Amino acid sequence: GAVVSQHPSWVICKSGTSVKIECRSLDFQATTMFWYRQFPKQSLMLMATSNEGSKATYEQGVEKDKFLINHASLTLSTLTVTSAHPEDSSFYICSAIGGPGSSYNSPLHFGNGTRLTVT
Amino acid sequence: KQEVTQIPAALSVPEGENLVLNCSFTDSAIYNLQWFRQDPGKGLTSLLLIQSSQREQTSGRLNASLDKSSGRSTLYIAASQPGDSATYLCAGGSNYKLTFGKGTLLTVNP
Repeated sequence: GAVVSQHPSWVICKSGTSVKIECRSLDFQATTMFWYRQFPKQSLMLMATSNEGSKATYEQGVEKDKFLINHASLTLSTLTVTSAHPEDSSFYICSAIGGPGSSYNSPLHFGNGTRLTVT
Repeated sequence: KQEVTQIPAALSVPEGENLVLNCSFTDSAIYNLQWFRQDPGKGLTSLLLIQSSQREQTSGRLNASLDKSSGRSTLYIAASQPGDSATYLCAGGSNYKLTFGKGTLLTVNP
């Protein structure tokens, strides 16, 4: 149980275009989803936290107008990288928490990530 | 601001060896300490979660300890196998937010 599916697993786009990444919880209702970014040989950095039906909370230094997050349902959150540039090339990973009895001490369930390359 | 450090950055051992991965954190006001496994180009798999009130957790050949006073956690892997080769990440958790270390790249040689 507790499967998180992320799509696409990799994407190549041209500079200036927008890319949407989907994160779905397949067998539980994800009340909260998190988006992380990981540069090569670096740690995962939290970008934003999203709760179903409300605006995402962005971490300091993350541009909310560039990284649009929508969490319209309990099973789907999307991250749209708008006007992508080569420096946005990274590994983006979502995680989710939810289901009966979940709390901040519940394990996070991660998707398999999306490798974004902007040319 | 929480900072998480993992030592060593890389470790190579022969199959069957017991090993310890180290993690240190600067802010002891964490709710939990989590260990994850990440395979190349993949997401994270949760291995163990130690709540702040706990000292250790065990799952199979894995044992993780937590010492909040010293800001340290260790992940012990017994009888390592080639399939254990991966990057191991620790993360300090506070109110759903996780601060990750850079990981330890483990290679278990047959």
